[in-house]
Amino acid sequence: NAGVTQTPKFRVLKTGQSMTLLCAQDMNHEYMYWYRQDPGMGLRLIHYSVGEGTTAKGEVPDGYNVSRLKKQNFLLGLESAAPSQTSVYFCASSYSDTQYFGPGTRLTVL
Amino acid sequence: RKEVEQDPGPFNVPEGATVAFNCTYSNSASQSFFWYRQDCRKEPKLLMSVYSSGNEDGRFTAQLNRASQYISLLIRDSKLSDSATYLCVVPPRGNSGYALNFGKGTSLLVTP
Repeated sequence: NAGVTQTPKFRVLKTGQSMTLLCAQDMNHEYMYWYRQDPGMGLRLIHYSVGEGTTAKGEVPDGYNVSRLKKQNFLLGLESAAPSQTSVYFCASSYSDTQYFGPGTRLTVL
Repeated sequence: RKEVEQDPGPFNVPEGATVAFNCTYSNSASQSFFWYRQDCRKEPKLLMSVYSSGNEDGRFTAQLNRASQYISLLIRDSKLSDSATYLCVVPPRGNSGYALNFGKGTSLLVTP
């Protein structure tokens, strides 16, 4: 039982490049979330999903897209990376109000 | 008032001390509250849930004051391993699955 896993762990992008962050959970949770964490800003919700095939915008969705084609996976896409998207990205999943987090992806956009 | 507000600290305390953090929230309809712990460069992990007036787990006590809209976390007999950032968490307004609003965190450093 791996819980919530995220790939990659680290990534450096140039401005304008695209990439996809993968989150996978093996706990059969319905709900999944993507957050970003910046110094002094705390965790902010980017997008979330309440079930397979559904997604919704969170607090800071601009510049990101998501997909939940399979219940266990939640993908976060950056179509054209910007330096402002340099951050630590955390994925989480839940079946109720207790969230379980992945180890995070550290992304730097140059 | 922001959704969730915490004193960022840092709180520097000696081993064995008792320390308390407060957190204020704006959503008066919230029914559940949480404290998460986050170690440096790690993911947040649930420390305690608070659904009524309070909760106690060993050296940790969480209390809820609905009238004043704040929750507190009390740590007794602090250990070096308690050094971390403590995040106050409440559900947001509206329907967003089980999405949560995280405070910016209070930093605790326990020194020998």
